[in-house]
Amino acid sequence: KAGVTQTPRYLIKTRGQQVTLSCSPISGHRSVSWYQQTPGQGLQFLFEYFSETQRNKGNFPGRFSGRQFSNSRSEMNVSTLELGDSALYLCASSRRDRNTGELFFGEGSRLTVL
Amino acid sequence: DAKTTQPPSMDCAEGRAANLPCNHSTISGNEYVYWYRQIHSQGPQYIIHGLKNNETNEMASLIITEDRKSSTLILPHATLRDTAVYYCIVRVINTGTASKLTFGTGTRLQVTL
Repeated sequence: KAGVTQTPRYLIKTRGQQVTLSCSPISGHRSVSWYQQTPGQGLQFLFEYFSETQRNKGNFPGRFSGRQFSNSRSEMNVSTLELGDSALYLCASSRRDRNTGELFFGEGSRLTVL
Repeated sequence: DAKTTQPPSMDCAEGRAANLPCNHSTISGNEYVYWYRQIHSQGPQYIIHGLKNNETNEMASLIITEDRKSSTLILPHATLRDTAVYYCIVRVINTGTASKLTFGTGTRLQVTL
């Protein structure tokens, strides 16, 4: 079956702009979580969505937000971009009702902020 | 979640077994040991997890010591494609927070010819 699909794969923005990233989970997976990966901080949990509701949130400012649609697809948005937001943003999906901690990650969206 | 300690890097010859250690001396009785790996520029990939019994799947084996304070991930016949950063994560299985994984710095495994 198809894996987790993230779009776009690469994008370049300038400070102050905003960006929206998209994630399509594996069919049948209703939980979508987002992670940020930077060389300095490593992989960090942003938030998780299940049944169109945010269920968990990491320690990130309010500029980072997300949503989930009825078909389980998710988007995350970063407003007022800063240079430090340059990162690989990873989306992961899972079956939350029988979640054993096995997440399926996409290949990520690499954001560069100039 | 319990803290884990892994060596920053390891080398392994292709075809040989790669044994990646992880120390988790503060693990609680209901915490599982998970292993993920991340090949360069890709998303992390789940490998295996276990509670106290040794586990094996098509990718690897997980050996957990009897006191559960440490574990070893074994790739029985490493190939160049196994070159990646390997993360050991300890956590409770809880559907409410199962997607919130805490990744450390991992072990960078370099498989060489």
